[in-house]
Amino acid sequence: QVQLQESGPGLVKPSETLSLTCAVSDYSISSGYYWGWIRQPPGKGLEWIGTIHHSGSTYYNPSLKSRVTISVDTSKSQFSLKLSSVTAADTAVYYCARPRGYSYGDAFDIWGQGTMVTVSS
Amino acid sequence: EIVLTQSPGTLSLSPGERATLSCRASQSVSSSYLAWYQQKPGQAPRLLVYGASSRATGIPDRFSGSGSGTDFTLTISRLEPEDFAVYYCQQYGSSPLTFGQGTKVEIK
Repeated sequence: QVQLQESGPGLVKPSETLSLTCAVSDYSISSGYYWGWIRQPPGKGLEWIGTIHHSGSTYYNPSLKSRVTISVDTSKSQFSLKLSSVTAADTAVYYCARPRGYSYGDAFDIWGQGTMVTVSS
Repeated sequence: EIVLTQSPGTLSLSPGERATLSCRASQSVSSSYLAWYQQKPGQAPRLLVYGASSRATGIPDRFSGSGSGTDFTLTISRLEPEDFAVYYCQQYGSSPLTFGQGTKVEIK
């Protein structure tokens, strides 16, 4: 069973860059599928950030596109999220997740446990 | 961007009762690409239904999804104690992928 695990700093200063990594286990990331990031501010709903294919093709939410970079490292079986110029509004639980089918636009059937990132000085 | 509006915001029911949750889209969802998730406090969302009506692996048959176009419904036929949670719908027919704001199903 594929497992996802997020890691990264829990505290980021305003205007800096948030960086998170999602480690994929029990599956070779280069074998296929897309890999995504979703976030959830405290007490609020879910927001799709973006998705990457193992080949490197990316799809971003236009509301975040100017600040987001998602990359993949197949040799380490992991993919990463960078969000620049963060503000308090970027405080959220960040989840990595896998779409169930062979498309970036699909329901997410496998999720990491999530990691809380707080933006504060 | 397709906006999903879920109703009601909170549903207060007793175990054994039937729950009916609504998700309305601001425009038609392509090919019924609509999913439902369950989320409990401190946990990641869990996929329940995809394609508007197909249950995900391991999901009990008391959960059923229906609808097309702009109106979708998740029905829980008989609430079990573990079903009290927040439920989200998501459309994946067009970019950006979007989620509804959630419906909380609480114990009455």
